[in-house]
Formats: sequence, C-alpha cells, structure tokens
Amino acid sequence: QQQVKQSPQSLIVQKGGISIINCAYENTAFDYFPWYQQFPGKGPALLIAIRPDVSEKKEGRFTISFNKSAKQFSLHIMDSQPGDSATYFCAASMENTDKLIFGTGTRLQVFP
Amino acid sequence: DGGITQSPKYLFRKEGQNVTLSCEQNLNHDAMYWYRQDPGQGLRLIYYSQIVNDFQKGDIAEGYSVSREKKESFPLTVTSAQKNPTAFYLCASSISQDPETQYFGPGTRLLVL
Repeated sequence: QQQVKQSPQSLIVQKGGISIINCAYENTAFDYFPWYQQFPGKGPALLIAIRPDVSEKKEGRFTISFNKSAKQFSLHIMDSQPGDSATYFCAASMENTDKLIFGTGTRLQVFP
Repeated sequence: DGGITQSPKYLFRKEGQNVTLSCEQNLNHDAMYWYRQDPGQGLRLIYYSQIVNDFQKGDIAEGYSVSREKKESFPLTVTSAQKNPTAFYLCASSISQDPETQYFGPGTRLLVL
C-alpha cells in the first residue's frame, strides 16, 4: 500500500514533442504528490507538486494531471527541450508525515 | 550561498570497513534525511531526523547508523554489516512547517573495493 508505481522506465522524445510520465498509487491517505527532476551526478530538485483538491496544475511547460478516482497522476512536459533530459521521480506523502515515497524514476532523453 | 553540502563526492570502502558520509546544511532546516539511490529502484529512505538528538529509522536502516548532534549536521555511517553498500547516497532537508518539500544535496557515490 506504500508503493508508488512509475512508468515508463525510459522515454525518448524529439525536441518540441510532449513527454508524458505516469504514476499510480494505492494508499488513499496520500495527499501530496510532487515531481522531482534529477540531472546526472546531482541531487533531485522539486519541479512541481499537486494536492488532491485540484485535477491539474501548470507551471510553465510542466503540468501535473491528477485523477483521484483512478489513483493516478502524470507529468506532462510540453515543447520538450534537450535541456529537459534528466531522470524524473514522482513521489507521494501523507499528511502529518515527513516521509516521501518515491517512484522508481523515468529517464527522459530529448533529441534535437 | 545557502544549501546542502555532501562530502566526499566519491568514497571507496574496503571489506569490513566502516565509512562515514558527511551532510551539512546552512538552510536552518529542522529535518534532515538520508536516502539511498540504486539504478531502477528510485530513492529509499534510510534514516531521518526531525530535531537535534533524535532520529528515526526509515525503510532500509539495517547496516547504517546516524547521529544528529547539531542542527546543521547529519552524518551517515555505513557499517561493515551493510553487505551491499555500493550506491548513490543523498542527503536532504526540510523546514518543520513544510516537511513535504525536501531539498537535496549533490550526493556521495560509495564504491566497494
């Protein structure tokens, strides 16, 4: 029940295309869903996050879509750029806890 | 410059040896965390600390130990009991009012000789 399942494991997109990464969870007590971006040899950095009271959140070219009934959420990167090439992790946490449960990561490569 | 520093960047361990990874933050954050990252497995929580002189085990604490004697420091010791220590180790921190937003350091890669 603590798992967050992420797919695909790797993704190749052409410059200007849309990158879509999906995550699914089981525990309905999760109430915070962040996405982290990690470049090779670096630590992850928070990219964007959403709470279940909204179905979508957009920040620039990055959008989270959230489907509470399906217990799924996804990251959409519009107009993907080579500089977006990185590993992306979804995560989830419950209210009043410090613990983030991470997905297994998606390695995105954007080719010119 | 505010942030989290981890040292060393690379660390080599011999069989039966204990090694300590350093994590320092000058963000005045209350909580600190240690994660282990392995290819294809995401980040797994080893230990975390919400206040000085207190810490809790995460999901994979066996073979590891920590201390939190100062707010800004949270060193991780990989003991000889950890049979598969080769991994990328990440330290993170957060403020008590927003524990869900974690800030990560650059990581330490541990290799076994």
